[in-house]
Amino acid sequence: DQQVKQNSPSLSVQEGRISILNCDYTNSMFDYFLWYKKYPAEGPTFLISISSIKDKNEDGRFTVFLNKSAKHLSLHIVPSQPGDSAVYFCAASSYNNNDMRFGAGTRLTVKP
Amino acid sequence: DAGVTQSPTHLIKTRGQQVTLRCSPKSGHDTVSWYQQALGQGPQFIFQYYEEEERQRGNFPDRFSGHQFPNYSSELNVNALLLGDSALYLCASSLTTGGSAFFGQGTRLTVV
Repeated sequence: DQQVKQNSPSLSVQEGRISILNCDYTNSMFDYFLWYKKYPAEGPTFLISISSIKDKNEDGRFTVFLNKSAKHLSLHIVPSQPGDSAVYFCAASSYNNNDMRFGAGTRLTVKP
Repeated sequence: DAGVTQSPTHLIKTRGQQVTLRCSPKSGHDTVSWYQQALGQGPQFIFQYYEEEERQRGNFPDRFSGHQFPNYSSELNVNALLLGDSALYLCASSLTTGGSAFFGQGTRLTVV
């Protein structure tokens, strides 16, 4: 069951511009959402998270927005850098559960 | 802090054999989860261990079993290997009180 969906398998942006990665979920029991970045031959690296009691969380160049009514979240990266090129996974769980459900990932390429 | 460590990094097994993968959690973490990531997909939850017991399980057959030791380290065992078990196996550690999970670099299992 695809409870978390990332409909864009790839995204290409120019260095310095904004990257927007999108994620949709179907299970309304999810109350904690995370973004992970993955480089080849490495495990996923935690990037940023958001609780369902918030609609926005910022950490430096990274901002996650949550729209609970639409069951949609997005990750904004501003400004994008070539080192941001990686596969980004969206994940959802309940806060004390940690049984995360992942999307299929979006491959971001930032061109110099 | 070494973070989450997994061993081995790569493994080749023959169909029908058994395999054991190992994980040491991040210092201070008491919960270990295992995920299977097939090529081109997001990680799929296998099970989670806390206080040496399986707390949750995803949609995986009984051929997949695990163990958690008193020092919180964990093992994943897969019996009667199938070609379809070829994947990257990821271990993630977290606190049972909640918060983000941190991943190891994974074990690449190839079944031939």
